[in-house]
Formats: sequence, C-alpha cells, structure tokens
Amino acid sequence: AQSVTQLGSHVSVSEGALVLLRCNYSSSVPPYLFWYVQYPNQGLQLLLKYTSAATLVKGINGFEAEFKKSETSFHLTKPSAHMSDAAEYFCAVSGGYQKVTFGTGTKLQVIP
Amino acid sequence: ETGVTQTPRHLVMGMTNKKSLKCEQHLGHNAMYWYKQSAKKPLELMFVYSLEERVENNSVPSRFSPECPNSSHLFLHLHTLQPEDSALYLCASSQDSIKPNEKLFFGSGTQLSVL
Repeated sequence: AQSVTQLGSHVSVSEGALVLLRCNYSSSVPPYLFWYVQYPNQGLQLLLKYTSAATLVKGINGFEAEFKKSETSFHLTKPSAHMSDAAEYFCAVSGGYQKVTFGTGTKLQVIP
Repeated sequence: ETGVTQTPRHLVMGMTNKKSLKCEQHLGHNAMYWYKQSAKKPLELMFVYSLEERVENNSVPSRFSPECPNSSHLFLHLHTLQPEDSALYLCASSQDSIKPNEKLFFGSGTQLSVL
C-alpha cells in the first residue's frame, strides 16, 4: 500500500521568498516520487521525479526536492518565488507495479 | 507542450443525458488513463489502457464507460450521471503503464457539471 500526505492545502509566500512545500509518503517498497504542477485551466505537468539515482533532485523552473528516507519526506523547495510560480502542486508516489498515488495538492500563492 | 488534447473543455449535462469525452495523444505512447479531479480530494485513477486493452478499472460506476479504439484515442462515455460526478476529468498518457517511474503527460481536462 502507498499513500501521500501534503501538509497545508494553501501556502502563501512573498515574491523572492523561499518556497517550501511539504510531502510525506508511505510505501511498502522503495518508492518513486514525483512532483507535478497544475497551472490554472491546465493539466498537470511533471516538475521532477526521484528514482534513487540521487537524493537531491533538480527539476524545471528552479525547483528541487530532497528525498529523506529516515523522514519519509520529499519536500519541494525553490530559493526565490516568482509570480509565475502561483499554481497547485501535487506530490505523488509509485512503488513496484502499483499505479501512481497523488496527494491532495497544495495551492501556492505568491504575493507581490 | 503536452501532446495530449482533450475535448470539450467544458461540459454541462443533465442527469438523463448521454455525452462523451474525447482524448487524443500525439506522443506515440502505449498507455492512456482517465483521472477524476475533485476539489480537496486526491486525483482518482479511473481507468488504465495499455496497448488498447483495459488493464485497470478502479471500481468505477458503470455510468462511466471507457473506450480505446486505438493507442492514440481514448473516450469516456457518460450516461445517467449524478451531481456528485461533477469534476475535472483528466486524460493522461505514458510510454508504458507497467514501469513505476513512468512520467505521465496530462491533457488540460474537461470540466464537467452535472445538473
């Protein structure tokens, strides 16, 4: 069985501030972990994915995430928020041959 | 660019209507998916097709009927829906449905309202 918990359904940051979106996972097998982003009126796009090659994963648009097995976490960060980062972000987990399980999403608001 | 096109973008239907959602992928992928996205709930996987064969049905009510005539097209036929079926329906594709690290490519979705 696998699951994802995203802490905080809404996060607000000032433009230029650090972005931190939290994700904790549960998986009975070594997991593959993903962050997807959904801009208004669009489908989801892959930001980055963890596949055990490196614990710090860099994605598009300056985002990165760190896999911490001891904490079962895969938090998403960006050093400096931009207005264009306003969107909804989804953490997801996949293990073995199970299908991808998504979290409930975190809406990021960037305040000018 | 997503390479996955969904039509229509918006659909309003009554509970006695019959309508269909269409999805087309231009990526040469072998697997296609239907997801349901409701407010404050995780994305719910509805159906998975691999090489035009249905490989998963996640206990979806029979009022939702998928069809995959070829590897590029996926339909979701709707009939006698309920108001709680109102949601954003997302189509996705991937190169392979079996590998757990597959990247999903999503369409923009169809926003469905059932009156």
